[in-house]
Amino acid sequence: DAKTTQPNSMESNEEEPVHLPCNHSTISGTDYIHWYRQLPSQGPEYVIHGLTSNVNNRMASLAIAEDRKSSTLILHRATLRDAAVYYCILRDDYGQNFVFGPGTRLSVLP
Amino acid sequence: DAGVIQSPRHEVTEMGQEVTLRCKPISGHDYLFWYRQTMMRGLELLIYFNNNVPIDDSGMPEDRFSAKMPNASFSTLKIQPSEPRDSAVYFCASSLKGDRFYGYTFGSGTRLTVV
Repeated sequence: DAKTTQPNSMESNEEEPVHLPCNHSTISGTDYIHWYRQLPSQGPEYVIHGLTSNVNNRMASLAIAEDRKSSTLILHRATLRDAAVYYCILRDDYGQNFVFGPGTRLSVLP
Repeated sequence: DAGVIQSPRHEVTEMGQEVTLRCKPISGHDYLFWYRQTMMRGLELLIYFNNNVPIDDSGMPEDRFSAKMPNASFSTLKIQPSEPRDSAVYFCASSLKGDRFYGYTFGSGTRLTVV
């Protein structure tokens, strides 16, 4: 699986937007970009994924650079419950196992 | 669906004892994964199954670890004998083939402490 690079930690104020970056300069054409998050004392949970186009769902938005070498997870209004470790992972059509990096620890300040 | 169910939630055992962790995947999912999480090494894939058959066990640390999936609704991860360095949170996850659309669903994990 291709490698991703994320900042170790970020802070946000409650009810403000948060932009979590991810670099994946070695991404291949068949790699999907997945985002998961892990709340304290829980297993990772799916947030969003995409291939080339920007994606939106009820949890977040995913903005993918035109060259696909980077992406940004956008939480439109951070809440205290969004405090978690966010993982950016690449996976191709054939790979069945995710390789988790250290992720970004997001702190949300009231 | 109740999601991926793991048991027990917490396990404390003495060094040298056998430990068995259990996982019930989501009904209909055909892939099952076992991960281990520690502060030092983060989340590591130990082994995964497809249709109950082990596909890749290269992440299993050593022969003390073994995993089985006797049927589509149950899997075990066994450590025998256990050692203090095995202390970690162990996660089970399941997915559908083509899970690039559906992703993985993780259980709540088993926190193992070996004293």
